[in-house]
Amino acid sequence: QQPVQSPQAVILREGEDAVINCSSSKALYSVHWYRQKHGEAPVFLMILLKGGEQKGHDKISASFNEKKQQSSLYLTASQLSYSGTYFCGTANYGGSQGNLIFGKGTKLSVKP
Amino acid sequence: NAGVTQTPKFRILKIGQSMTLQCAQDMNHNYMYWYRQDPGMGLKLIYYSVGAGITDKGEVPNGYNVSRSTTEDFPLRLELAAPSQTSVYFCASSNSDRLRGANVLTFGAGSRLTVL
Repeated sequence: QQPVQSPQAVILREGEDAVINCSSSKALYSVHWYRQKHGEAPVFLMILLKGGEQKGHDKISASFNEKKQQSSLYLTASQLSYSGTYFCGTANYGGSQGNLIFGKGTKLSVKP
Repeated sequence: NAGVTQTPKFRILKIGQSMTLQCAQDMNHNYMYWYRQDPGMGLKLIYYSVGAGITDKGEVPNGYNVSRSTTEDFPLRLELAAPSQTSVYFCASSNSDRLRGANVLTFGAGSRLTVL
């Protein structure tokens, strides 16, 4: 079941904050976040396991509420380099059966 | 390290033609995947492999075939190309990271396929 991301798109000014949400109708084992710049491949940002909160790089962090089957990605003091499409990928199982199902993505545009 | 290498980067096919998208990784990863990406739809898993000689279907396998004869290579075969197969195809690989509980994907640069 494809996770649902919101919002679909967001436009920010440099220095502003944003939150991207990812929710699933099924129990989750883990949530991945990837960023894809235009014309490029997706790049891994971070992974969250059940109940864990993990800080990634720069000023990007994320949380994972396993009871609500939701994850949120927090981008603070956004930079121009944050522009791109953000995808969450969810795994219902761990290990070799933990294939990721990706959401449709959230397009983030950061303006000067 | 080259990482994950895909060829070709671009290809135009006529309806009914066949072709193979090549994927190679030099990271000694056990797991390899093929995803397709259509505008606004995210990434859909076509096939995956957990090791040489082992492959399995993903979400959208119809019209495709794969093989995994070596750890490094995971080609994707399109038989009888159809306009619905127009897409960007990404190959990815990962090692099973039991501590992290799931596999972190390294993607190739993508192959843009157009079927006319």
